[in-house]
Amino acid sequence: NAGVMQNPRHLVRRRGQEARLRCSPMKGHSHVYWYRQLPEEGLKFMVYLQKENIIDESGMPKERFSAEFPKEGPSILRIQQVVRGDSAAYFCASSPSRGAGGESPLHFGNGTRLTVT
Amino acid sequence: ILNVEQSPQSLHVQEGDSTNFTCSFPSSNFYALHWYRWETAKSPEALFVMTLNGDEKKKGRISATLNTKEGYSYLYIKGSQPEDSATYLCAFKAPGALNFGKGTSLLVTP
Repeated sequence: NAGVMQNPRHLVRRRGQEARLRCSPMKGHSHVYWYRQLPEEGLKFMVYLQKENIIDESGMPKERFSAEFPKEGPSILRIQQVVRGDSAAYFCASSPSRGAGGESPLHFGNGTRLTVT
Repeated sequence: ILNVEQSPQSLHVQEGDSTNFTCSFPSSNFYALHWYRWETAKSPEALFVMTLNGDEKKKGRISATLNTKEGYSYLYIKGSQPEDSATYLCAFKAPGALNFGKGTSLLVTP
């Protein structure tokens, strides 16, 4: 029973390139959260998605960042024209549909460490 | 984004000591309060999810309480062991987002 799978584990991009981070939730989970961890800081909420819907994107920068969770396939966090300040660990977590009210715990992936050079 | 505050930021105790941490959160629009344990080089793992005022949960030597009216939760560890060393995160579920505090970093030395 595979857990939450994130890839790649490490991603290096030059300034101005695009970064695409993928997250496959646990089997049977239809809710995905994305978080960013900056050095010396905790997990900062970015976006909460259900299959084909963005539920809450209040933590995501308005420009250059986008997220999707299509009916088929993994959730994708996309960062266009990356800058050095985007360097961070990005974590994805999933929960089952019955967890929409917060009553189910999140299951986390191992994260993608993005380095922008 | 709603503020979730945790204290202390870090804690160093001796093996066998009992300890507790605090999580404070907004007392309105409460859905759930989560506790997670995050060991270095791993991903966060859920300890407890609490949804009702007055909830108390226990798992081995670790327990948690919840007061939604005043907006706080306590996590207790009885008889700390070196393997309890980790960062303990709480998270507040509002409509939509699940917002995390910065965590309490616990170090237990033999």
